[in-house]
Parts: sequence; C-alpha cells; structure tokens
Amino acid sequence: DTAVSQTPKYLVTQMGNDKSIKCEQNLGHDTMYWYKQDSKKFLKIMFSYNNKELIINETVPNRFSPKSPDKAHLNLHINSLELGDSAVYFCASSYRGADTTQYFGPGTRLTVL
Amino acid sequence: GDSVTQMEGPVTLSEEAFLTINCTYTATGYPSLFWYVQYPGEGLQLLLKATKADDKGSNKGFEATYRKETTSFHLEKGSVQVSDSAVYFCALSISNDYKLSFGAGTTVTVRA
Repeated sequence: DTAVSQTPKYLVTQMGNDKSIKCEQNLGHDTMYWYKQDSKKFLKIMFSYNNKELIINETVPNRFSPKSPDKAHLNLHINSLELGDSAVYFCASSYRGADTTQYFGPGTRLTVL
Repeated sequence: GDSVTQMEGPVTLSEEAFLTINCTYTATGYPSLFWYVQYPGEGLQLLLKATKADDKGSNKGFEATYRKETTSFHLEKGSVQVSDSAVYFCALSISNDYKLSFGAGTTVTVRA
C-alpha cells in the first residue's frame, strides 16, 4: 500500500491555466505539507496543515491555494500558471510537528509551457 | 533564521570508496537533524535522523553524529555501492515548528 500518494505524476499545461494536484496519506498522520523542488533540486516548504488547519504559508503567491478536506488529504490548486511555477511538487505527512519523520509522496512534475 | 549548509556536489566515487558529505546548521533552538535520500525519479526517503546532541543515526551502512559543539551532522559511509547513487539532503526541524529546512542537496554518483 502506498503511504503518501499524489496525482498526477506529470502535469504539462499552458501558461494562464488553472490546475490541481491531489495528495492522500493513509498513515493516520495529523500534519501534511507541500514542498517545491526547483530545477537545481532545492527544496522549500510551501504550506503546512495540522488537523486541517493552515499552520505555515511560506510567502507563497496567493495563486497557490491549498485545501484540506480532511486529515488524510491535502490538495494544491494553482491559478493562472506561470513559467516559473515549473517544478516538482512534493506532498509529505507526519505526526505532530516536523520533528518527527516526514513521509514524502513520489512528486508531481509540473511543466508550464 | 534556521538554515542548513551542505557540501556542494556533484560527487563521483568508485565502488567501495569512502563517502563523506558535510553538513552544518544554524538554528535558534535545539533542532532535530535528518538525512534524506532521493533516488532518481523518486520522492524523498528518510535515511537517518538524530534528535539530540551526541546521538548517532545509522541506516544502510550510513552514519551521522549530531555534534552540537561544531553544529554539524556529517554523513559517512565506509564502502559505497552503485545503488547509493542519489541526491542526499541534510535537513533540520525545530520542535513544534511545522516544517523541514533543507540543505541544497548533494548529488552522489558511484561508478562500478
């Protein structure tokens, strides 16, 4: 069974479009995260949710809107996509805060043309 | 702010060579320290971790010791294999801080 899953794995779209990435975890964790990995492999936190409440919003443009319908899901919606949004987006989950092990999904490679 | 600095790559080694990847950190509190590994085309996996000073994390032949006096958490493996080719990330988190802060990643290639 996959612990943290993301869909889609690849996403190719045009500038200006709106797209969503879905994330689900079956580990019973109460905290979920979105990270962005750029072309140089650098990883940066975007959002963190604990028990469905937004805890961290790391100066991400408001074109990015996370939504957590329940503790097992954290989706990422992106409006008006720009070229600079091209990256790999990773979902992760853990218990409590980040001082416990975070489990990562396989990533979604977003390419904006 | 909290940050992690790790050795820049890429690093290319021969099989059975000794691997060291340096990692140092800056943190306002007492962080937990992690090494994550990313194999080609995959997500990140926890390799090892240490939650307090002088703790040693170990897994799959890799080791790292939490050194508070030098604010370091260097990763070592005595004899690498081709299957160890990956990107290695050092990371930290502060208690009750809901995020990991990552270093820039070090790409390691092991040649047969």
